[in-house]
Amino acid sequence: TQLLEQSPQFLSIQEGENLTVYCNSSSVFSSLQWYRQEPGEGPVLLVTVVTGGEVKKLKRLTFQFGDARKDSSLHITAAQPGDTGLYLCAGVRGTGNQFYFGTGTSLTVIP
Amino acid sequence: GAGVSQSPSNKVTEKGKDVELRCDPISGHTALYWYRQSLGQGLEFLIYFQGNSAPDKSGLPSDRFSAERTGGSVSTLTIQRTQQEDSAVYLCASSLARLSRGYGYTFGSGTRLTVV
Repeated sequence: TQLLEQSPQFLSIQEGENLTVYCNSSSVFSSLQWYRQEPGEGPVLLVTVVTGGEVKKLKRLTFQFGDARKDSSLHITAAQPGDTGLYLCAGVRGTGNQFYFGTGTSLTVIP
Repeated sequence: GAGVSQSPSNKVTEKGKDVELRCDPISGHTALYWYRQSLGQGLEFLIYFQGNSAPDKSGLPSDRFSAERTGGSVSTLTIQRTQQEDSAVYLCASSLARLSRGYGYTFGSGTRLTVV
């Protein structure tokens, strides 16, 4: 059983469309991060959120941490082919030693 | 170096053989992690090193897996008597400190291990 469940698992959209990816858990996290991974590469950190209710924007990407720090969402506005990749959420519990990774969302943006 | 370096990038080995995977973290990063990524399985934590502290080995799947970190820098993950289920991408990451608020991982590109 995965600690962090992401939905949807796969997403294929046209360029210019908007989308939201969800990351949910029954556990509380002290911080949560989002990564993007391209084929043959390791995941690359996009953002870290640490406060319940926090919203961060990175150009066309908006990240939100749930009030209870159990869930998060990633919203992409006007998706572009360069956004294609595997999106992973990852959370750390308390003062733990590791990030628990979500199940991943594979996004394809069609030109 | 500028990033986390892993070698080899690809490794094909016969079932039963031993393999060594190497990770060279970012200079100055005290924390080093190994993860395994299998198709459809997400990233699975294997082991964590922090400075001179005893490593957290809680994620190692069996006693065939071991890792060491020499001089607080380079790390080697060793898999003995490889099995087909060991086939995966092995990712190494380093971080500035313990997972204090806001620090994230910098990952290497991984080693794709195929056991035939």
